[in-house]
Amino acid sequence: KNEVEQSPQNLTAQEGEFITINCSYSVGISALHWLQQHPGGGIVSLFMLSSGKKKHGRLIATINIQEKHSSLHITASHPRDSAVYICAVRGRTGNQFYFGTGTSLTVIP
Amino acid sequence: KAGVTQTPRYLIKTRGQQVTLSCSPISGHRSVSWYQQTPGQGLQFLFEYFSETQRNKGNFPGRFSGRQFSNSRSEMNVSTLELGDSALYLCASSIDNEKLFFGSGTQLSVL
Repeated sequence: KNEVEQSPQNLTAQEGEFITINCSYSVGISALHWLQQHPGGGIVSLFMLSSGKKKHGRLIATINIQEKHSSLHITASHPRDSAVYICAVRGRTGNQFYFGTGTSLTVIP
Repeated sequence: KAGVTQTPRYLIKTRGQQVTLSCSPISGHRSVSWYQQTPGQGLQFLFEYFSETQRNKGNFPGRFSGRQFSNSRSEMNVSTLELGDSALYLCASSIDNEKLFFGSGTQLSVL
């Protein structure tokens, strides 16, 4: 069973489009992380959330604790946003991390 | 400020051998966590150390172990390597339950 589900698995967008990636989880959590991984590159943490909404530049992350759901939005997408986006949660019980399988985003110029 | 440093970058071993990977966290970070990434299973959590103590662990066999030193540097060890242990091993550091900072990883190939 997957504690974290992401959708879509793959996403292709035109430059400038508004993008949404969704993450649902089934465990109680203390925090949710959105990670970005470029091909052949390392992983960068974009956001850590425990409630509400955070914004950084063109990226916005929201979380609804009651519905166990989070979204990552990219406004005015750019080809450099092409990467795999991974949702990760830290479980409240046991404190371990669970990961989604990632969303592969390609932004076409 | 230097980032998270993992060594070595690449490693080739044969089945049955053991391997030790190293992770130097960002200065001031006391939490170090380890992850395995494979094309088939994605990212999986191995364990987390804080102030030299293992704070939690994932669902990996006992062949996977780790430790953390007083300077917060951490090592992970895999004994009796199996072909399925071929993966990218990542570590991340954080201040404590805060944003994670990842190293570039060690790519382990088991032949």
